[in-house]
Amino acid sequence: DAGITQSPRHKVTETGTPVTLRCHQTENHRYMYWYRQDPGHGLRLIHYSYGVKDTDKGEVSDGYSVSRSKTEDFLLTLESATSSQTSVYFCAISDKASWNRGYTFGSGTRLTVV
Amino acid sequence: AQSVTQLDSQVPVFEEAPVELRCNYSSSVSVYLFWYVQYPNQGLQLLLKYLSGSTLVESINGFEAEFNKSQTSFHLRKPSVHISDTAEYFCAVSDRGGSYIPTFGRGTSLIVHP
Repeated sequence: DAGITQSPRHKVTETGTPVTLRCHQTENHRYMYWYRQDPGHGLRLIHYSYGVKDTDKGEVSDGYSVSRSKTEDFLLTLESATSSQTSVYFCAISDKASWNRGYTFGSGTRLTVV
Repeated sequence: AQSVTQLDSQVPVFEEAPVELRCNYSSSVSVYLFWYVQYPNQGLQLLLKYLSGSTLVESINGFEAEFNKSQTSFHLRKPSVHISDTAEYFCAVSDRGGSYIPTFGRGTSLIVHP
């Protein structure tokens, strides 16, 4: 999607290892979000950020941490990956000035924990 | 807090037939409503939204949705579907004057058969 990229696109990792997913935006939007998508659950919010160094938890934040040291990057870290964290992870961005146009989503990162 | 229910996890339909994807929500305050579409291996894209004004909203590709406050519904319809409409559709709701962070439904998979 224009203005927002996620990396890596695919990753396979072993249980117990740390994993960091990156979301990078070029829109200068204030708000950034991490969601996970699982069959039968739709999208669930993990963490979000409302500014540099300002973050808050979503509904499924256990086992995840985030950091935002600059406007354009929002990192999601799994400190010790578990099989239950196998999922597709989406980053999204929005801005108060344009929030009513909805979110802009990245293309996703498919994470498999073996 | 708000919630969204998409009653149908999967809707199979033949090409050129009409379709309705159902969405009901609950919230203690006034809401904004959205429909997003996700094509295979892509992120979500905003399809249409209700913010205020006319309760019937339309998208550029022939979909429409009607906000029904008394029934707390925001069903998505299309009079004649195409193969290319095959995708996952998500309904989302956010509170007016709140955090604006939307809550997503679990999604409905629309499968259009030739």
